[in-house]
Amino acid sequence: DIVMTQSPDSLAVSLGERATINCKSSQSVLYSSNNKNYLAWYQQKPGQPPKLLIYWASTRESGVPDRFSGAGSGTDFTLTISSLQAEDVAVYYCQQYYSTPPTFGPGTKVDIK
Amino acid sequence: EVQLVESGGALVQPGRSLRLSCAASGFKFDDYAMHWVRQAPGKGLEWVSSINWNGGSKVYAGSVKGRFTISRDNAKNSLYLQMNSLRAEDTALYHCAKDRYGGNPGFWFGPWGRGTLVTVSS
Repeated sequence: DIVMTQSPDSLAVSLGERATINCKSSQSVLYSSNNKNYLAWYQQKPGQPPKLLIYWASTRESGVPDRFSGAGSGTDFTLTISSLQAEDVAVYYCQQYYSTPPTFGPGTKVDIK
Repeated sequence: EVQLVESGGALVQPGRSLRLSCAASGFKFDDYAMHWVRQAPGKGLEWVSSINWNGGSKVYAGSVKGRFTISRDNAKNSLYLQMNSLRAEDTALYHCAKDRYGGNPGFWFGPWGRGTLVTVSS
C-alpha cells in the first residue's frame, strides 16, 4: 500500500495570510502514460463530511474558491490557501488514487491565529 | 444537487451483522461507481469498498475482505454495505461517496454523504 504522510499536523495562520500543507507519498503517484499525478485534496469542516477540493494534484473542483491551489509531482505535493478566511478552518487530507487501496494522509488541522 | 443519505448504523455486539444503505439522488446513479469510506471517532479516513456502475466489479480493503459485501440496486438508486462478523475496530462513521471519475472506479471521491455511525461493543 502507498503510505501518505502530511506536515505539519496542525497550523495556525492569521486571517488573510498564506497557509501551506505538505503531503508526501511513499512511492510516486505520477502515471507516466498520461503525465497525471493521481493525488486529491479534501477539506473536512467540523461536523461535516469531507469535500473534494482538488484532483489530479492541481485541478480545482467546480465551485472551489481560487485561493485554494495544489502543486507538486511524483511524491511531493502541497496545498496552499493563499489568503486564509474564517470559513477555511478545517482538517485537510491528501489522498492517492494511483493504486488500490486508495489511501489518505493523516490530516492537517488549520486554525486561525 | 447531489444528495447521498446513509442509514442503518447502530450499536451492535462483536460478531453480529449490520446492513448499511445509501440513498442517492440528484445524478444518474447508474453512470457512476460508488464507494464506502469510514472514519473512526476522532480519526482519519479509511477507504472500505468500491463498486462499479453495474455491480460487476467490487473491491475491498484488506481489513474487511471476506466480512463485508458491497452491492447496489440501480433501480432504487441505492448503495449497500453488508457487514458481517463485526469487530470493535469496525467502529466508525461510514460515509458513502460518489466516484468523481465515472462508471468504473477512479477512486477519488465527491461528493460524500454525512455518514451513519456504527458502534461495535459488548
